[in-house]
Amino acid sequence: KAGVTQTPRYLIKTRGQQVTLSCSPISGHRSVSWYQQTPGQGLQFLFEYFSETQRNKGNFPGRFSGRQFSNSRSEMNVSTLELGDSALYLCASRRTGFDTDTQYFGPGTRLTVL
Amino acid sequence: DQQVKQNSPSLSVQEGRISILNCDYTNSMFDYFLWYKKYPAEGPTFLISISSIKDKNEDGRFTVFLNKSAKHLSLHIVPSQPGDSAVYFCAASEKGAQKLVFGQGTRLTINP
Repeated sequence: KAGVTQTPRYLIKTRGQQVTLSCSPISGHRSVSWYQQTPGQGLQFLFEYFSETQRNKGNFPGRFSGRQFSNSRSEMNVSTLELGDSALYLCASRRTGFDTDTQYFGPGTRLTVL
Repeated sequence: DQQVKQNSPSLSVQEGRISILNCDYTNSMFDYFLWYKKYPAEGPTFLISISSIKDKNEDGRFTVFLNKSAKHLSLHIVPSQPGDSAVYFCAASEKGAQKLVFGQGTRLTINP
């Protein structure tokens, strides 16, 4: 079974631009979560989607948004990019929406903001 | 407010010996705990998990121990192999929260 895939793997943008990252979960998985990893803050939760509904959101500004499609694929968008948005963005999927169901991570998208 | 803490940024172990990675948490509502392994420029890889109703879970060379009264969990790797060299993250989830809270990670180096 194919794992979680994320596109693109690497991205370079300039301040003020916006960016859209894509995540395809493992086949049959209905929950998709997004995390940001930075050297200073570590791995931090952005948001979680289940059946196209956002169920929880982390402590990030409104510039960070996301959505999930009927096929469970998800996108996250960051508008008005800032230098501090440079990070590895990770997507994780799980089969059900239960917290005890293991989350499996994709390889991430490395975003660099210049 | 760091709810999950891995106080050792790095750990060096001889090949074949036991590696013990530690994790402490402060939120008593956490009821599910996981360990992930991560290589640079890759996503975390799931290793093993444990529910709060258990105090031990084993999977091959990996064993996780949970001490709820101390709010402490540990991952034991026996025997340690060179391929185990990576950054290890512990993570915790609270029922209904739909999110993982991660520690800062411990870099494990296995020396031949």
